[in-house]
Amino acid sequence: AQTVTQSQPEMSVQEAETVTLSCTYDTSESDYYLFWYKQPPSRQMILVIRQEAYKQQNATENRFSVNFQKAAKSFSLKISDSQLGDAAMYFCAYRDLSGGSNYKLTFGKGTLLTVNP
Amino acid sequence: DVKVTQSSRYLVKRTGEKVFLECVQDMDHENMFWYRQDPGLGLRLIYFSYDVKMKEKGDIPEGYSVSREKKERFSLILESASTNQTSMYLCAVYRDRGTEAFFGQGTRLTVV
Repeated sequence: AQTVTQSQPEMSVQEAETVTLSCTYDTSESDYYLFWYKQPPSRQMILVIRQEAYKQQNATENRFSVNFQKAAKSFSLKISDSQLGDAAMYFCAYRDLSGGSNYKLTFGKGTLLTVNP
Repeated sequence: DVKVTQSSRYLVKRTGEKVFLECVQDMDHENMFWYRQDPGLGLRLIYFSYDVKMKEKGDIPEGYSVSREKKERFSLILESASTNQTSMYLCAVYRDRGTEAFFGQGTRLTVV
């Protein structure tokens, strides 16, 4: 079974600084998606960024970028120029592409990010 | 984007009650999921459905059942609520061959 590990239960960053959240995963599949989701206090899960495993280029979305190391099974999220609105719980998630009922997401335990003014 | 609506944001029920949590989507997506979220444990999959009347157990199905009579609605049922089912429940929806899951706003259930 696939597993996703986030080793940092909590992180903090100063406003305007850069922070990196770590995620490792375990799978025997070669084709899959990886995601970072953000959950602010409103509880609404928001997709931050997505990476397809077959793509070597790291995904970026404005201030958010990933460092995807397929061989090491590592998928970290870098937030640049941190803003107060970035404060949230961040979840790393995995989904393989073997089809059928395998649209389910497997989540890590989350990292609570605090942004200090 | 898909709109996913969960029937309640907050719910308080008594031990032994039968509890229904409803999730409704406004699109025609095939795959619907119920997750449970607890501090320090992340999101854990309870049940999912990939078509009407189809269901599969997730990682923690004990004490729960589900119903999907119509494509847009996926219900989570606690047959006899217990205090260890106090948690946040999240519904998610996925289109076949889709790349993004859409979530409801969550139901925080307290069983007393």
